[in-house]
Amino acid sequence: DTGVSQDPRHKITKRGQNVTFRCDPISEHNRLYWYRQTLGQGPEFLTYFQNEAQLEKSRLLSDRFSAERPKGSFSTLEIQRTEQGDSAMYLCASSMRGQAFPYGYTFGSGTRLTVV
Amino acid sequence: DAKTTQPPSMDCAEGRAANLPCNHSTISGNEYVYWYRQIHSQGPQYIIHGLKNNETNEMASLIITEDRKSSTLILPHATLRDTAVYYCIVRASINTGTASKLTFGTGTRLQVML
Repeated sequence: DTGVSQDPRHKITKRGQNVTFRCDPISEHNRLYWYRQTLGQGPEFLTYFQNEAQLEKSRLLSDRFSAERPKGSFSTLEIQRTEQGDSAMYLCASSMRGQAFPYGYTFGSGTRLTVV
Repeated sequence: DAKTTQPPSMDCAEGRAANLPCNHSTISGNEYVYWYRQIHSQGPQYIIHGLKNNETNEMASLIITEDRKSSTLILPHATLRDTAVYYCIVRASINTGTASKLTFGTGTRLQVML
């Protein structure tokens, strides 16, 4: 068990560019969550997958955001036409359906995006 | 999920107990109190949770008032490594059939000082 892995740890991009982040959950976990955290705020839920199915999306997830989990293992979060307001820490978490919360619910260390 | 109120920041001397309060006056009977912390540049880390009884584990103690409208997280001997943002979260049930998205507030920034 190597924990939840996120890549890259840091990303600086120019406004208008597209960016993609990757999350590798704990191997046996079938649930995966994305959160966004802006400076001075707590993490905010973005979306949730159970296996490959995206079951819930927050209103924070605008049309420029898309998340996938094609084989039910790793997930990607893409932001198109980035804006300065997208600058934030993007956190991924995973858990196992059938395991009582909060046990096993594990966060990664996040990807910090800076849009210049 | 019930709303929580925490002080924005607190200081604590190293080696002393850190007592972090949380108000959750609208908590429902089936809602638990969870505490997480987030050390700089890391993801949130689970600390402890409880329903109505006081709880203790290797990291901390959780004291919940009898009316359950507030709680206190106690770090008995704070160290520099306990410097972090601490989040109090109240949410309904630990039913494993429901997705476990979490609603974080702004938390308390604890600074442990020499």
